[in-house]
Amino acid sequence: GDSVTQMEGPVTLSEEAFLTINCTYTATGYPSLFWYVQYPGEGLQLLLKATKADDKGSNKGFEATYRKETTSFHLEKGSVQVSDSAVYFCALQNSGGYQKVTFGIGTKLQVIP
Amino acid sequence: GAVVSQHPSRVICKSGTSVKIECRSLDFQATTMFWYRQFPKQSLMLMATSNEGSKATYEQGVEKDKFLINHASLTLSTLTVTSAHPEDSSFYICSARDPSPSGSGSYEQYFGPGTRLTVT
Repeated sequence: GDSVTQMEGPVTLSEEAFLTINCTYTATGYPSLFWYVQYPGEGLQLLLKATKADDKGSNKGFEATYRKETTSFHLEKGSVQVSDSAVYFCALQNSGGYQKVTFGIGTKLQVIP
Repeated sequence: GAVVSQHPSRVICKSGTSVKIECRSLDFQATTMFWYRQFPKQSLMLMATSNEGSKATYEQGVEKDKFLINHASLTLSTLTVTSAHPEDSSFYICSARDPSPSGSGSYEQYFGPGTRLTVT
């Protein structure tokens, strides 16, 4: 079945540091890939997405590129801020049936001033 | 963008009672909604797929008699936790599927803000 593997946190960075959160997936067909962010006590917000190979999703300074050859969708940001502190979930949506979404375990990011 | 609401945002109930959680799509009609459960410091686990006018499809290991799902209209799905126990305490999140596919052919899902259930 479909699965998403992402690095476990927590990840602690200083403000303005470079961020990478690794994500790899296993899926049949041609899934869409997502990064969601969850701030403390809140629901999920879509951060960015990519629907086909080599697509780059970007939003709020975050980027991720859909790499079919390595089945990866790593999240990057050049300079993190304290306000980026949250839990980040990598996810895939399969292309068949109800198009269910499968989530990774989530990576907690803490940015310190 | 599309908005999905959940009610209540937090609920505390006593062991043995039942509690209902509502999920509404506010500005679009959703024939398909999903219910997820999130344990502390863990990922979201899909519990069931809710289809308007038909029975929900439950994931393996989810007790359908304990987690009753009703999708009676195109904008409302409800999850009722029956005879709740402390181990049912969790964060429950719903999502609603956009009825129209995007240019890539995928159907976007919009997530609600979640409901924190505490069973004492």
